[in-house]
Formats: sequence, structure tokens, C-alpha cells
Amino acid sequence: AQTVTQSQPEMSVQEAETVTLSCTYDTSENNYYLFWYKQPPSRQMILVIRQEAYKQQNATENRFSVNFQKAAKSFSLKISDSQLGDTAMYFCAFMKPTSHSGNTPLVFGKGTRLSVIA
Amino acid sequence: EAQVTQNPRYLITVTGKKLTVTCSQNMNHEYMSWYRQDPGLGLRQIYYSMNVEVTDKGDVPEGYKVSRKEKRNFPLILESPSPNQTSLYFCASSPQGANYGYTFGSGTRLTVV
Repeated sequence: AQTVTQSQPEMSVQEAETVTLSCTYDTSENNYYLFWYKQPPSRQMILVIRQEAYKQQNATENRFSVNFQKAAKSFSLKISDSQLGDTAMYFCAFMKPTSHSGNTPLVFGKGTRLSVIA
Repeated sequence: EAQVTQNPRYLITVTGKKLTVTCSQNMNHEYMSWYRQDPGLGLRQIYYSMNVEVTDKGDVPEGYKVSRKEKRNFPLILESPSPNQTSLYFCASSPQGANYGYTFGSGTRLTVV
């Protein structure tokens, strides 16, 4: 079974600075997908960024980027120019490729609570 | 607007009183799933459904039931709630065969006293 580990329960960063959230995972699959979700105080689960394991290039979405190290099974999230609105719980998640049969759940880490300080 | 709608958003109930949390999606997604979120544990899958009349257990199914009589609806049923089911619940959906992750509902905060 796949597992996802987020080793930083809480982090803080000054506004406009850069912060990196760590995530490691364990799988025997060669093809899979990795995600970072943001959960602000509103509780909504918001997809931040997605990475396909067979792509070497790290995904980027505006101020958010990942450092994907497949051999090390590491998938960290970098937030540049942190803003107060980035304050949230961040979850790393793993998913096997979906198919037309079988369960393909998102497997989540336990989350990292990020506080952006003015 | 494409969305997953959960109701209610908040619910306080007493031990043993049957309740249903509704979930509806308007995206014609085949795959739907329920998760519960607990502090320090992340999100864990309760049940999932591949399509109408096809449901199966996830990682933490004890004390829950689901049904999928229509493609758009996937209610979560607690026949006899207990305090250890106090949690934040999320419904999610995705197209079968897609790999873009899920669309989540807004969550239901359930308290069982």
C-alpha cells in the first residue's frame, strides 16, 4: 500500500519570503500522480499543483512549484513571495493512474499547517 | 458551475440517531468517494463508488453505509452514530479514467454527542 509522509506538522514564513513544504511517499508503482492540496480556514480542498511521475520536468503554477525527485520519492512544494492568503493546511497526496475498473483513491499525508506572518 | 454539493455543512446529533449526509455532483462523473478528516490523520477514504449501483469499502468503512442509485448522488448514511464518528467529512468525484485528482465538496462538520 502507498503511504505519504509530511514530516512538518507546522511551519511559518514571513510575508514575501519563500517557504518549502516537504513530502515523501512510498510506492512500488512506476507510474502515478502526485498532488498538493490547500485547505484554508473555509475548509474547501483546493488543488494547488499536480505532477505526473513520468514527466521529468517539475510542475509550476504561478508562485507554486514542486521539486520532484522520483528516485528519492520526494515531492516538496515551494511557495515563493508568500502572501497572507497562503495561510492554510497543505496536504500532499498520491494517486495511482485511474482505470475503468478498481478503486484509485487519493492517499493523503497528515498535512502541514502553514502560517504566513505579516 | 461544476461542483460537488454537500449538505448539511454543520450537524450536531446524539449517539444512535440515524443521519444522512447528502452529496450531489453536476459533472456526470462516474467515480465518487467519501473521506473523513481528523486532526493528525489527514484524510482517509470511507467508501467509494465506480458507477451507479457499484460501491465498495475504503480504508475506514465501519459504521457507515452508502448508496448510489443515481449517477449524481452519493449519500453517506450513519445508521447509529457514535462519538468516534465526530469528524469533518468530504465527498469527492472524478471522471473515471481521468488523472486530475478529485473535485471536493465543501465538507460537513459532524459532531456526535
